[in-house]
Amino acid sequence: AQKVTQAQTEISVVEKEDVTLDCVYETRDTTYYLFWYKQPPSGELVFLIRRNSFDEQNEISGRYSWNFQKSTSSFNFTITASQVVDSAVYFCALSEAFYGEETSGSRLTFGEGTQLTVNP
Amino acid sequence: EAGVAQSPRYKIIEKRQSVAFWCNPISGHATLYWYQQILGQGPKLLIQFQNNGVVDDSQLPKDRFSAERLKGVDSTLKIQPAKLEDSAVYLCASSLRKSSYNEQFFGPGTRLTVL
Repeated sequence: AQKVTQAQTEISVVEKEDVTLDCVYETRDTTYYLFWYKQPPSGELVFLIRRNSFDEQNEISGRYSWNFQKSTSSFNFTITASQVVDSAVYFCALSEAFYGEETSGSRLTFGEGTQLTVNP
Repeated sequence: EAGVAQSPRYKIIEKRQSVAFWCNPISGHATLYWYQQILGQGPKLLIQFQNNGVVDDSQLPKDRFSAERLKGVDSTLKIQPAKLEDSAVYLCASSLRKSSYNEQFFGPGTRLTVL
């Protein structure tokens, strides 16, 4: 069974600090996808990034960067020079295909989330 | 492009009452999902549709929860009768296809409070 662990329940930083959100996952599959979503106070989950299990290249997008290490089953997310608007709950998620007797599809398993608060 | 629409945004009911939530996915998205998000936790999948067929309902408490997507577009999720532990945000999401590659787009959710 797949599992995603976000050990940090809450993180509080001061504006302009860098912050890293940790994510560790468990899966038996060799093909899978990892996602990060942001959930601001409004409640709507916003897609940030997708990574497939064969691509361990780190990615940078503006102030956001992601470090995927298959050897440690980790997919960490760093915000550089944090801003107050970054305050939200961040979820790491793992997507795997499944094959049933009559149907097939994919299952997205979320971690418990990390509440990030950026103070001015 | 319009996002995933959900209604109502908030609902308060007493235990043992019934409640229904509605979702309209992004146009052209074949796959629709319902999630339950209890306060302080990550979303948990309840049911997944591909067009008007159920792909995965293994985590749906079928004794009280039901869902349908009759015409392969919008969907309703029903709880009958509701229990206190059903208090949560119910999120609807859609994706272009059901593969694990496709990102899911989420609606604003319906916050249910059961008294």
